[in-house]
Amino acid sequence: EDQVTQSPEALRLQEGESSSLNCSYTVSGLRGLFWYRQDPGKGPEFLFTLYSAGEEKEKERLKATLTKKESFLHITAPKPEDSATYLCAVQAGGGGNKLTFGTGTQLKVEL
Amino acid sequence: DGGITQSPKYLFRKEGQNVTLSCEQNLNHDAMYWYRQDPGQGLRLIYYSQIVNDFQKGDIAEGYSVSREKKESFPLTVTSAQKNPTAFYLCASNGGGDGTEAFFGQGTRLTVV
Repeated sequence: EDQVTQSPEALRLQEGESSSLNCSYTVSGLRGLFWYRQDPGKGPEFLFTLYSAGEEKEKERLKATLTKKESFLHITAPKPEDSATYLCAVQAGGGGNKLTFGTGTQLKVEL
Repeated sequence: DGGITQSPKYLFRKEGQNVTLSCEQNLNHDAMYWYRQDPGQGLRLIYYSQIVNDFQKGDIAEGYSVSREKKESFPLTVTSAQKNPTAFYLCASNGGGDGTEAFFGQGTRLTVV
């Protein structure tokens, strides 16, 4: 059974204080690992897809990396507008390309 | 603009009633999905459809039903058999290929009154 575990559950940062969110996974035949951002009361917004160990992707203050067992979402010099819940999901081979999600990390960035 | 539209945004249901949540997409995606989100839990898959007139149960299908008569539409019915229907429901779609990202609608919050 595919499993995704995210840590920490919640993270509070000061503006400009860089940190990383962790996503550990076990999956049979990884087809993709996805990061999403979700604001309260809204649907998840797609950020990144990673396909293989060693891959990295960047977008503004966010950088996602992937190993064979986990992924990190690095946030550099965060701003209050980066406050959101960040969700990690994996897609395994077969099974209709469905995504298995972790429970998310709730990030709050304070001035 | 291409996207996924869920309606209504808020829905109230009385005990014993069936309600239907709407999901429409104009992205020309083959695959569509319904997830349920509860506080402190990840998104859990209810049903998914890879092609018109075909759908499969997800991890928590009991008490729910779906149809896929058109490529653009994937409505979800929450039946009276669903014991704890109060939740945030999310519809998603993707192009159906391996490793393709899913795009989500803005969700429907269902409350049982």
